[in-house]
Amino acid sequence: DVKVTQSSRYLVKRTGEKVFLECVQDMDHENMFWYRQDPGLGLRLIYFSYDVKMKEKGDIPEGYSVSREKKERFSLILESASTNQTSMYLCASSLWSNTEAFFGQGTRLTVV
Amino acid sequence: DAKTTQPPSMDCAEGRAANLPCNHSTISGNEYVYWYRQIHSQGPQYIIHGLKNNETNEMASLIITEDRKSSTLILPHATLRDTAVYYCILHGSSNTGKLIFGQGTTLQVKP
Repeated sequence: DVKVTQSSRYLVKRTGEKVFLECVQDMDHENMFWYRQDPGLGLRLIYFSYDVKMKEKGDIPEGYSVSREKKERFSLILESASTNQTSMYLCASSLWSNTEAFFGQGTRLTVV
Repeated sequence: DAKTTQPPSMDCAEGRAANLPCNHSTISGNEYVYWYRQIHSQGPQYIIHGLKNNETNEMASLIITEDRKSSTLILPHATLRDTAVYYCILHGSSNTGKLIFGQGTTLQVKP
C-alpha cells in the first residue's frame, strides 16, 4: 500500500518561529502537494512539486516555502509562523497528474 | 479556482442510494473526473474515477454524462459510516498537475 507519512500529528509553535512540516511518500511518486484546510474553506493548495527541486505555487503560497531535495520528501516551511497559519496541513502525492492522489493523515498546527 | 461545482450539503436515509452531483462544464478532453471523500479528522481518500464511461467498483458507481460536463457519484446503500465530505475534482495534464479542490458536498446519512 502507498503510504504518505507526515512527521507530526499535532504541533504547537510560537509566533515568529521557523516551522518545518515534513512529508514522506514511499511509492516513487512524481507529484507531491501541500494543502491547508480550514473550516468552511475546504482544501486550499499551498504548493505543488512535480519533480525533485521543482515547485509551483498554489492558490495561497504567501508566508510559506517548500523544499524537495529528494523525490520521496516534500517539506513545507513557515519562515516566521503567525497565528493566522493555525490550521490543518495535509500532504498528498500522486504518480502522475492524471492518477490517484494519496493523502497523509494531516498535521494540526497551532501557532500561539 | 476549482473547476467543479457541487451542492454544499445533502442528506440521505441509511440503506438508500446517495446520489451526489458534480458540474464540470469546462472539462478538457484529457481530464479525468475523480471523487474523494474525507471523514472527519482524516485525509481525503480516493473513491473512484472515470474519463468517459461509467465506472463501478466495490465502493461506488460513477455516471458521467455523454458531453462530460457533469457526473454523479452513487453510493448504492448508504451507511452511517458514509457520512463525510465528498469532493469531485479533475485530474489531467492540462492543469499542470495541480489538484484544486472545491468545497465539496457534506453528506449526512441519517438513521
